[in-house]
Amino acid sequence: DVKVTQSSRYLVKRTGEKVFLECVQDMDHENMFWYRQDPGLGLRLIYFSYDVKMKEKGDIPEGYSVSREKKERFSLILESASTNQTSMYLCASSLLGTGGSYNEQFFGPGTRLTVL
Amino acid sequence: DAKTTQPPSMDCAEGRAANLPCNHSTISGNEYVYWYRQIHSQGPQYIIHGLKNNETNEMASLIITEDRKSSTLILPHATLRDTAVYYCIVRVGYDYKLSFGAGTTVTVRA
Repeated sequence: DVKVTQSSRYLVKRTGEKVFLECVQDMDHENMFWYRQDPGLGLRLIYFSYDVKMKEKGDIPEGYSVSREKKERFSLILESASTNQTSMYLCASSLLGTGGSYNEQFFGPGTRLTVL
Repeated sequence: DAKTTQPPSMDCAEGRAANLPCNHSTISGNEYVYWYRQIHSQGPQYIIHGLKNNETNEMASLIITEDRKSSTLILPHATLRDTAVYYCIVRVGYDYKLSFGAGTTVTVRA
């Protein structure tokens, strides 16, 4: 069974702390994604990676950075957490699309981050 | 990406078919219709997608109107485990970015 795992289901941090969210997939997927999901705003893409050490900004990259040193692992970093980064964070992975084809994204269970 | 409109909520009886509508009147010729769902406390799950032909898989059927301005997701025999928020998305096939709106909250009742 395909799997995307995230390091924590719930996390509470203080303003100004550096926060690491880890995501691991076991499907040998090229693409990995970090989203955040907020009531009334839906799902929004933060960053995307299509290969090791490669990354692209999504719609809302400000305040975040990412790291992909190994194919199976994609980390989201909040350099200095702020209260407006309180959210549900979702990691996903997919195969690299070719020739205009679509490859479904497989999501992890999410990390609910609260910044106090 | 074309905008989609879905009803905010709907109820369905267990064992009956659930028909979830989605309007996408501004859809372009190269845009697909995708459906994902999100069960409470879980990440979103892909269901099905289509361009203009009707599609069926082990989870659901997707019926797209001839003018492609609307579609219906059909869960043929809804179970309590199908209670979730269902998202209809329209985008080009190669676009990796997903963006969900509010979706339809489907409650399956025994």
